[in-house]
Amino acid sequence: EPEVTQTPSHQVTQMGQEVILRCVPISNHLYFYWYRQILGQKVEFLVSFYNNEISEKSEIFDDQFSVERPDGSNFTLKIRSTKLEDSAMYFCASSEEADTGELFFGEGSRLTVL
Amino acid sequence: QKEVEQNSGPLSVPEGAIASLNCTYSDRVSQSFFWYRQYSGKSPELIMSIYSNGDKEDGRFTAQLNKASQYVSLLIRDSQPSDSATYLCAVNDGYNKLIFGAGTRLAVHP
Repeated sequence: EPEVTQTPSHQVTQMGQEVILRCVPISNHLYFYWYRQILGQKVEFLVSFYNNEISEKSEIFDDQFSVERPDGSNFTLKIRSTKLEDSAMYFCASSEEADTGELFFGEGSRLTVL
Repeated sequence: QKEVEQNSGPLSVPEGAIASLNCTYSDRVSQSFFWYRQYSGKSPELIMSIYSNGDKEDGRFTAQLNKASQYVSLLIRDSQPSDSATYLCAVNDGYNKLIFGAGTRLAVHP
């Protein structure tokens, strides 16, 4: 069964460092997303991406964050100058269609900022 | 601010019973609704979607939607210990993003 894969599964970084989280969406999906979940809290939308550009972003997704599809398979989330409050599980998701809630989530990348 | 509200639980049911999970949402114009299951430490997994008022059944799961009351529910029949998880209600806000509730933790005991 096709799946969304994410790397790394866990990353520990020092405050102020840059991190890149990587995702390989399902191959025939055209819409990509990043969500995050701080421990014990809700799953929160960060950004959606289609046709090599951001289609929607939340208030959380400020200048500290960026996304990119550097090649035909990877979808990355870059977090510059990490803060303690960026510690969370980051989920990549993909979908076949726009404006759907039928998302396929990857297993997540746990980011710990010290 | 669009909100999705769920009782955090835990909801404890015996094996074989019906588990009933509820969700309310604030945005009256929302059109599509979803239930995701999240096991501890894992990612959300879609189990049901519902777009029209009424009931939608899929195996042991039934989703119910009442747009007038802004209310969505999920019934799990013949609950199994493997159903023990957090159930997330989610609403598509019409701008290609999901708004999730905080989830209801379900515990099914043998």
